[in-house]
Amino acid sequence: GAVVSQHPSWVICKSGTSVKIECRSLDFQATTMFWYRQFPKQSLMLMATSNEGSKATYEQGVEKDKFLINHASLTLSTLTVTSAHPEDSSFYICSATAGQGIHEQYFGPGTRLTVT
Amino acid sequence: DQQVKQNSPSLSVQEGRISILNCDYTNSMFDYFLWYKKYPAEGPTFLISISSIKDKNEDGRFTVFLNKSAKHLSLHIVPSQPGDSAVYFCAASISNTGKLIFGQGTTLQVKP
Repeated sequence: GAVVSQHPSWVICKSGTSVKIECRSLDFQATTMFWYRQFPKQSLMLMATSNEGSKATYEQGVEKDKFLINHASLTLSTLTVTSAHPEDSSFYICSATAGQGIHEQYFGPGTRLTVT
Repeated sequence: DQQVKQNSPSLSVQEGRISILNCDYTNSMFDYFLWYKKYPAEGPTFLISISSIKDKNEDGRFTVFLNKSAKHLSLHIVPSQPGDSAVYFCAASISNTGKLIFGQGTTLQVKP
């Protein structure tokens, strides 16, 4: 149980284009989903918290207009990197929890974004 | 400001021996702690957790110890197996926020 999928697993795009990454909880309803990014040999940095049906809460320093998050259903959240630049190249990982008060987050396999 | 720190970037142990991974935190508001295992180009996998009201939690080969006064937790793996080789992250959270704050990770290598 508690399986989270991400699509695509990797993507290469040109500078200035937008990329959408999907995160799905496959066998449970995720009231809350989180988006992280990880640079090589560094820790996971939380970008935003997404609750179904409401606006995402972004961490300090994360541009909400650049990283658009939509959590339209209890099993799907999307992250759109708009007007991507090479510095946005990173490993993006989503996670989900099954409900409030549940600390354990279950992570997707991640998406490797390369902006050329 | 690194609120969760794993000061050892790497650890190498022999198969069958004990692996001890350490983690320190600075925020006394953290009340739940978790350990995750991660392979390259994959998402972290949840291993074990502990609430701040406990000082030990055990699950098979994995045991997590929490020393609140020292703001320190550790993960013990006994016996270590080559398949345990991965990056291990500790994470901390504050109830009602749902957020996890991760340490930098420790790369464990278990040699056959």
